[in-house]
Amino acid sequence: EVQLVESGGGLAQPGRSLRLSCVASGFMFDNYAMHWVRQAPGKGLEWVSSINWNSGSIDYADSVKGRFTISRDNAKNSLYLHMNSLRGDDTALYFCTKDFGGDYYYNYMDVWGKGITVTVSS
Amino acid sequence: DIQMTQSPSSLPASVGDRVTITCRASQSIISFLNWYQQRPGKAPKVLISAASTLQSGVPSRFSGSGSGTDFSLTISSLQLEDFATYYCQQSYSPPWTFGQGTRVEI
Repeated sequence: EVQLVESGGGLAQPGRSLRLSCVASGFMFDNYAMHWVRQAPGKGLEWVSSINWNSGSIDYADSVKGRFTISRDNAKNSLYLHMNSLRGDDTALYFCTKDFGGDYYYNYMDVWGKGITVTVSS
Repeated sequence: DIQMTQSPSSLPASVGDRVTITCRASQSIISFLNWYQQRPGKAPKVLISAASTLQSGVPSRFSGSGSGTDFSLTISSLQLEDFATYYCQQSYSPPWTFGQGTRVEI
């Protein structure tokens, strides 16, 4: 069964850091691009960041650029999101998603994790 | 950035209705447009990719059309399990942007 399981969320104070992890199973992780997408409470979907199969191509939303870093460890079938300088508007449910292809242009997100909650508050 | 605008934001409907949701891009995205369904408390699920390609396992009552800047998602006969929020998303140019969502409700 193709599966993505996120972890590492929780409560963080403004200005602090968190690292999200996503472990993949049921498919050849190192063949596919991956994404992080978030959803603030009661709001719509917001793309956060993408990484291609070999980490050679990475993109970020302007709202997180310079504060968040996406990475992957293909040997561990894992995707990460390092979140620094957290702000209140980073509070959201964060989804790890798999791309249909190895590079993320022109494709779609065909597998989604259940999401992990990040709350930024003092 | 490419802006994606969906309409309507909410859509009251009944079982058996034919419903259509539209999505407009702020510039041409050719056919790089995907549709997702999100049921309450669940992760989104892709229904249609490349404007009109129905994903495996998705019922044939769902269909997508359009190209350039104007796209639509149609549900031919609404079922109870279709009451959900639907999002369009462009995959032509980063940042990958979603529409604001259309909530199909009873």
